[in-house]
Order: sequence, then C-alpha cells, then structure tokens
Amino acid sequence: DQQVKQNSPSLSVQEGRISILNCDYTNSMFDYFLWYKKYPAEGPTFLISISSIKDKNEDGRFTVFLNKSAKHLSLHIVPSQPGDSAVYFCAASAKTSYDKVIFGPGTSLSVIP
Amino acid sequence: NAGVTQTPKFRILKIGQSMTLQCAQDMNHNYMYWYRQDPGMGLKLIYYSVGAGITDKGEVPNGYNVSRSTTEDFPLRLELAAPSQTSVYFCASQGGSGGYTFGSGTRLTVV
Repeated sequence: DQQVKQNSPSLSVQEGRISILNCDYTNSMFDYFLWYKKYPAEGPTFLISISSIKDKNEDGRFTVFLNKSAKHLSLHIVPSQPGDSAVYFCAASAKTSYDKVIFGPGTSLSVIP
Repeated sequence: NAGVTQTPKFRILKIGQSMTLQCAQDMNHNYMYWYRQDPGMGLKLIYYSVGAGITDKGEVPNGYNVSRSTTEDFPLRLELAAPSQTSVYFCASQGGSGGYTFGSGTRLTVV
C-alpha cells in the first residue's frame, strides 16, 4: 500500500519546454513534502521542499505546487535542460523534516535536446 | 568535505553469508537512515537513528541490524544473506532543515 504515488514511471520533454512531474499521497497526516533528484550510480540529492502551510515554493527553475484538498503535488521545471534528465522522487513526512520520510517510486525524466 | 561515505560500492554475497555495510558522515548530523531501493519501488526505510546510542526500525527491518556507537558511523549488518536482499542500499543523514544528504549507495547481489 503505497502512501506516496508517482503514477508516471517516465516522462520525455523537449529541451526548453516545461516538465511537470506529479505526485499523489494518501496519508492526510503528511505535512512536509520533498523532491529528490537521482542520477545513475549516485545517491539522491535534495531538490526542493514545501510545507503544508504553503501551496507553492519556488527555487530558480524549480517550482513545487501543493494541493492539500486533492492530496496532490507537482514539480515544475522551466525551462527543462538536458542535465535535468534523472529520476525524480517525491517524498513526504508526517511531522517535521526530521521524521521518517516516505518515498514514492520515482519518475524518470528525459529531456531531449 | 566528504558528506556521507558508503563502503563498499559493490558486493556479491552467497546465500547465508553475512556482511556489514559501512556508512560514515562528517557533518555532525544527529539523524541517520538506511534505505534500500528496489526497481520501481522507490526507497524503503530499513532502520534509522536519531543520535548515538539510539536506533529504531523503519518499514523493512527484517534481516538487518544496526548500531550507532558514534555520531559519525551507522553500519548496517546483514546476518544471513537472502536473495530478497539483493538491492541498492543508501545511507543518509540529516542535521537541519531541508532534505537528507545521501551517500552514493552500495549495490548488493545475493546469489
């Protein structure tokens, strides 16, 4: 029973266009959400996070949107670059960022030059 | 600044053998975690620690043990390796707001 779902295993986008990666969660106690990026043969790296008191957080080309009523969040990358090609994991925790984090299965993004 | 260091990077074990996956961090982080990543399944939490001398089970602890005698080190022990433990193992630490810092992983194959 996955508490954090990423229903698209893969996504291809043209360079310069917007990439939208989606994530759904089932646990209404989750109040902190994170996105991680992972290249092959490397560990995941933290990308961006959002607290449940916000509905948007932006960091350069990366924006995360949170819709609490729908239990849905999305990561927007604008403009997409070939170096963004990686696996993106959505993650959530129920207390503070120090608590155990539940990861989704990941979405593999390919940005085509 | 090394961050989180995992050794070894690769290992092949025979069924029933034991081994220890090493994890060390030099950031003075209190929180440390062990995850395993299986294809299409994301990362599953095996064990975690909130400080030296304190450990607790995650989602998938069976077949594993951990210890945390120092802030820096958080080794993961497999006592009787089984094919189901074939996976990529990631250690992570956290010391402040934001996300985890992950090591580069250990790819384990049990044959």
